[in-house]
Amino acid sequence: GQNIDQPTEMTATEGAIVQINCTYQTSGFNGLFWYQQHAGEAPTFLSYNVLDGLEEKGRFSSFLSRSKGYSYLLLKELQMKDSASYLCAVKRGGADGLTFGKGTHLIIQP
Amino acid sequence: GAGVSQSPRYKVAKRGQDVALRCDPISGHVSLFWYQQALGQGPEFLTYFQNEAQLDKSGLPSDRFFAERPEGSVSTLKIQRTQQEDSAVYLCASSLEGWIYNEKLFFGSGTQLSVL
Repeated sequence: GQNIDQPTEMTATEGAIVQINCTYQTSGFNGLFWYQQHAGEAPTFLSYNVLDGLEEKGRFSSFLSRSKGYSYLLLKELQMKDSASYLCAVKRGGADGLTFGKGTHLIIQP
Repeated sequence: GAGVSQSPRYKVAKRGQDVALRCDPISGHVSLFWYQQALGQGPEFLTYFQNEAQLDKSGLPSDRFFAERPEGSVSTLKIQRTQQEDSAVYLCASSLEGWIYNEKLFFGSGTQLSVL
């Protein structure tokens, strides 16, 4: 079956850095996505990796290692508004829908 | 419209009742997805349309679930004879091109369905 694992909950301090890990075992790989979801709201796109390495976009960066089935999302200069769930999702094939992990609930403390 | 719009925002149904959930994707978007999200879980894929063609319905949990997009824009997810386990948030998402181009998806805020 398809398996995407990420921590259930993490806590970090405002202004600090946090790394959210995601490991996956899927039948096929065609890209890994990270989405942010505030409670009761729509998931919003953060990043996309299909090749190994680091993609940086402002305060957010995402890393992928395909050989290890591993990705992380790095959030810098944390702000209170970053408190949300962060969803890791894998696209297995060309026309397949995304397979999501259960999400990591990130709590930012002052 | 400016974003993906879903209606109703909340729906309470009695067990056994039929419900219809509507999705208005971003104008011109070719691909449309439906996902089911249980409380505290990630979204689970239900079905995928490219224009009016339903290319993948492998995620629909039973034959009580039916989706359509007859004119390639608005889509409706219908659930017949609702059961308590159908209670979840139903998310709709769209993307501009065919999904093979690995574009980001734009999600709606979802319809929260509660079956009593």
